[in-house]
Amino acid sequence: GENVEQHPSTLSVQEGDSAVIKCTYSDSASNYFPWYKQELGKRPQLIIDIRSNVGEKKDQRIAVTLNKTAKHFSLHITETQPEDSAVYFCAASLNTDKLIFGTGTRLQVFP
Amino acid sequence: GAVVSQHPSWVICKSGTSVKIECRSLDFQATTMFWYRQFPKQSLMLMATSNEGSKATYEQGVEKDKFLINHASLTLSTLTVTSAHPEDSSFYICSATQGLAGGNEQFFGPGTRLTVL
Repeated sequence: GENVEQHPSTLSVQEGDSAVIKCTYSDSASNYFPWYKQELGKRPQLIIDIRSNVGEKKDQRIAVTLNKTAKHFSLHITETQPEDSAVYFCAASLNTDKLIFGTGTRLQVFP
Repeated sequence: GAVVSQHPSWVICKSGTSVKIECRSLDFQATTMFWYRQFPKQSLMLMATSNEGSKATYEQGVEKDKFLINHASLTLSTLTVTSAHPEDSSFYICSATQGLAGGNEQFFGPGTRLTVL
């Protein structure tokens, strides 16, 4: 079955700097890769997603890149703000069926 | 966007009792619902996939007789934790998808925190 690895587990950045979180997946058939932001005790919130027919997608300060050959995908947050502090999860699935989540990255943005 | 609710938001029960958690899609019909468990400072682990009118598909290592899932309608799925023990204490989250018509995005419920004493 699918296995998703995520790095780093924690990431601290200064406000205004960029943050990058990387994930790798094992099943080459996976074709849907969402990213979620989860605040303590809350539900995961979809912040951006990408499908395998696209190499990059951007939404304001957030971008995701996908390298199908290497089975890597990454989340890029630019101009980080303290309110970006949260736990971020990547996930992978086939045809948006069941999601297999990465282990999570705790992002702290210091003012 | 599509809204998914869960009830209760938190529950405390004694060891050996059963607890039922409801997951509802409020403004759309959910072809599929998923149940996840999340232990503190860990990721979401898929427990089972539930389709309306059929038996749930459980992930490896999840006891189907302990975690009973009923998906009786296109807007309601329930998870019953039977004979709960302290190690079942966790954050249980459901999600629902509209299927192809909705782009298959999963919409998450707010979660239910279960504490077993």
